Amino acid sequence: DAGVTQSPTHLIKTRGQHVTLRCSPISGHKSVSWYQQVLGQGPQFIFQYYEKEERGRGNFPDRFSARQFPNYSSELNVNALLLGDSALYLCASSLTGTGGIYEQYFGPGTRLTVT
Amino acid sequence: KNEVEQSPQNLTAQEGEFITINCSYSVGISALHWLQQHPGGGIVSLFMLSSGKKKHGRLIATINIQEKHSSLHITASHPRDSAVYICAVNFGNEKLTFGTGTRLTIIP
Repeated sequence: DAGVTQSPTHLIKTRGQHVTLRCSPISGHKSVSWYQQVLGQGPQFIFQYYEKEERGRGNFPDRFSARQFPNYSSELNVNALLLGDSALYLCASSLTGTGGIYEQYFGPGTRLTVT
Repeated sequence: KNEVEQSPQNLTAQEGEFITINCSYSVGISALHWLQQHPGGGIVSLFMLSSGKKKHGRLIATINIQEKHSSLHITASHPRDSAVYICAVNFGNEKLTFGTGTRLTIIP
């Protein structure tokens, strides 16, 4: 079975542009979470989606948005890119998003560079 | 404030040495995770635990709920164990709060 997949693997954008990152969860997983990892730091929680609904949001500006599709894949959108948005963006999927704590499975990440 | 702290930040050891990485957290948790991140960026889940001890091969994870502390041990360390090890916790929901990681380097 395929693990969590993310696309693209690398991306270079210019300040002010918009970017869309994509994530496909493990088959059967209905919850997708997004994390931002700036170089040298631990990941920071951005969003969690479960059954196409937002279940959690981290301390990120409104320039960051996400959605989950009927097939449970997800997109993370970032508008008006800033240099500080340069980071590794990680997607993780798990079986459920309500109650209980389940192991999260991480994708390989998308490395975004903003110039 | 929900916080996770790891120590040490960096650890260099000789092949074969016994390795211990520590994690402490500020308030009660639902679960604690130990993760491994290689230079390429991908993260692999090593353990998820809420009490006691778990073992997988040369890796052992323990947690003390009363002391709000967990340790990751590696026995008979090997250069392929070189990676960043990250502690992350669930403070009552599915959102993960991460420590800053411990960069482990094992020298042959």
